[in-house]
Amino acid sequence: GQSLEQPSEVTAVEGAIVQINCTYQTSGFYGLSWYQQHDGGAPTFLSYNALDGLEETGRFSSFLSRSDSYGYLLLQELQMKDSASYFCAVLKAAGNKLTFGGGTRVLVKP
Amino acid sequence: GAVVSQHPSRVICKSGTSVKIECRSLDFQATTMFWYRQFPKKSLMLMATSNEGSKATYEQGVEKDKFLINHASLTLSTLTVTSAHPEDSSFYICSASFVGNYNEQFFGPGTRLTVL
Repeated sequence: GQSLEQPSEVTAVEGAIVQINCTYQTSGFYGLSWYQQHDGGAPTFLSYNALDGLEETGRFSSFLSRSDSYGYLLLQELQMKDSASYFCAVLKAAGNKLTFGGGTRVLVKP
Repeated sequence: GAVVSQHPSRVICKSGTSVKIECRSLDFQATTMFWYRQFPKKSLMLMATSNEGSKATYEQGVEKDKFLINHASLTLSTLTVTSAHPEDSSFYICSASFVGNYNEQFFGPGTRLTVL
């Protein structure tokens, strides 16, 4: 089978740093993606890691360790608008479908 | 760029009727489109993958006769929920990808279906 595990909810204050971990077990692996979804909205792409290491995109960074089947999304300098659900997703092959984790709801408080 | 639209955004129908949802890539040609279903505060569950001009590939447990998918062109895919029942009420989201950028999927805004 295949599974992606991530925490269900995280609460933090503005300006803080949040790390959302994702462990995966899949029958194929090409890369790990992260998507953000605000309530009632569409998921939007945040980052993609195919190789081990850290990818930095502004306040958000994503990390992957293929040997550990593990990745994380790091949200820095949290802002109120970052309150949303964050999903890790495994891409099993180029151009192929995504398998999503259960999502982590991040609540940013003043 | 890379905008995906869905229509309608919200639909309410009576039990037993069929509902068609359109997914369009507005500024790119989508080689592959995906259809997801999402329950409140839950993850996205892939229903099917469709490529232009070929039959959709359905995920295990998804009834192909219930959820008809047509991908007639590189910019349009449709999902028809046939003989809808209250348990089909959900948020349906499509996404699209294109050649050269397979690692990212572009999602539509979703369609909220309520079956009475």
